[in-house]
Amino acid sequence: AQTVTQSQPEMSVQEAETVTLSCTYDTSESDYYLFWYKQPPSRQMILVIRQEAYKQQNATENRFSVNFQKAAKSFSLKISDSQLGDAAMYFCAYGGYGANSKLTFGKGITLSVRP
Amino acid sequence: NAGVTQTPKFRILKIGQSMTLQCAQDMNHNYMYWYRQDPGMGLKLIYYSVGAGITDKGEVPNGYNVSRSTTEDFPLRLELAAPSQTSVYFCASSYQNQPQHFGDGTRLSIL
Repeated sequence: AQTVTQSQPEMSVQEAETVTLSCTYDTSESDYYLFWYKQPPSRQMILVIRQEAYKQQNATENRFSVNFQKAAKSFSLKISDSQLGDAAMYFCAYGGYGANSKLTFGKGITLSVRP
Repeated sequence: NAGVTQTPKFRILKIGQSMTLQCAQDMNHNYMYWYRQDPGMGLKLIYYSVGAGITDKGEVPNGYNVSRSTTEDFPLRLELAAPSQTSVYFCASSYQNQPQHFGDGTRLSIL
């Protein structure tokens, strides 16, 4: 079974600064997806970024980028130029292919942004 | 463009009551999922379906049942509500390996 670990329960960042959220995972599969989801107080689940394991290039979406280290099974999220609207819970998740596409989530990290 | 619609948004049940959480998607997605989120935790998979007529258990299926008679709908049934089922429930759908789209969740309290 796959596991996802987010060991930092909370982090804080100054507005306009950069912050990195950590995630490690365990799997015996070679092909899979990794995700970061944002959950604001409205409790919506919002996809931030997705990484396909077979791609060596790290995914980037505007101010959000990942550092994917497949051998180390590490998948961190970097938020650049942090904004007040980035304050939320962030969940790292693992998903397989096809019928195994169900997601396994970490416990999440609460990110606060200081003005 | 509704996406994934969950009803109701909030519900309070008494111990032993039963209810059905509704989930509908209008994106013609073949895969659908039910997750629960306990306070301060990540989501855990209850049941999932890869197509009409096909369902399978996830990590925490005890106390729940599902059915998938159509592509659009994937209801989750609680037969005998217990306090341990107090949680926020999310339904999601996806097409093949595309990212999952989530509904807004149902907050369920069992007293």
